[in-house]
Amino acid sequence: DGGITQSPKYLFRKEGQNVTLSCEQNLNHDAMYWYRQDPGQGLRLIYYSQIVNDFQKGDIAEGYSVSREKKESFPLTVTSAQKNPTAFYLCATKYSGDAYEQYFGPGTRLTVT
Amino acid sequence: DQQVKQNSPSLSVQEGRISILNCDYTNSMFDYFLWYKKYPAEGPTFLISISSIKDKNEDGRFTVFLNKSAKHLSLHIVPSQPGDSAVYFCAASELGSARQLTFGSGTQLTVLP
Repeated sequence: DGGITQSPKYLFRKEGQNVTLSCEQNLNHDAMYWYRQDPGQGLRLIYYSQIVNDFQKGDIAEGYSVSREKKESFPLTVTSAQKNPTAFYLCATKYSGDAYEQYFGPGTRLTVT
Repeated sequence: DQQVKQNSPSLSVQEGRISILNCDYTNSMFDYFLWYKKYPAEGPTFLISISSIKDKNEDGRFTVFLNKSAKHLSLHIVPSQPGDSAVYFCAASELGSARQLTFGSGTQLTVLP
């Protein structure tokens, strides 16, 4: 069953705790992305990675960190420095840097109280 | 600075009629445009795209029109069906940016039976 897996679907954390969101893909895609979606807003890019062991900040990287140790995996850590962490987080992949279309995972809803 | 704008947060259409969703952009370097459809608590799915060298692309009930001089694109759905009810995101890509996508804020389409 090919695709993009994000787990868990819903995640609850207390303020001040770091939390890591999982994104795994078996599409053999080179590029991976993390977005957040807030109500009434579009998708905003947090981090992206075009190859293993390399990643770049997106538009709203503050308070987040990522790693890309394997082609299949691109975990996102939401740190306590992120001021408004409650959001819907989406992982996406793309075949290569020059490709157009991104494919999205099912998302993780993070609630921090 | 929003480079991709969807000025209508919502649209209601009767089943069987045409739905027209609009998108404006400001960056003249965008050369590829995509529409994504998103259901609540799910990841967006790719719907249709258009290159800047074309002014129309059609796929079944979905047609995207591009007016480069006006920096405007639109998605037409004919005939509209209740299952089309979702949030529609317009996205744009430019060469040289690792083909990152810049998303609009989305339009909630409701197709009334």
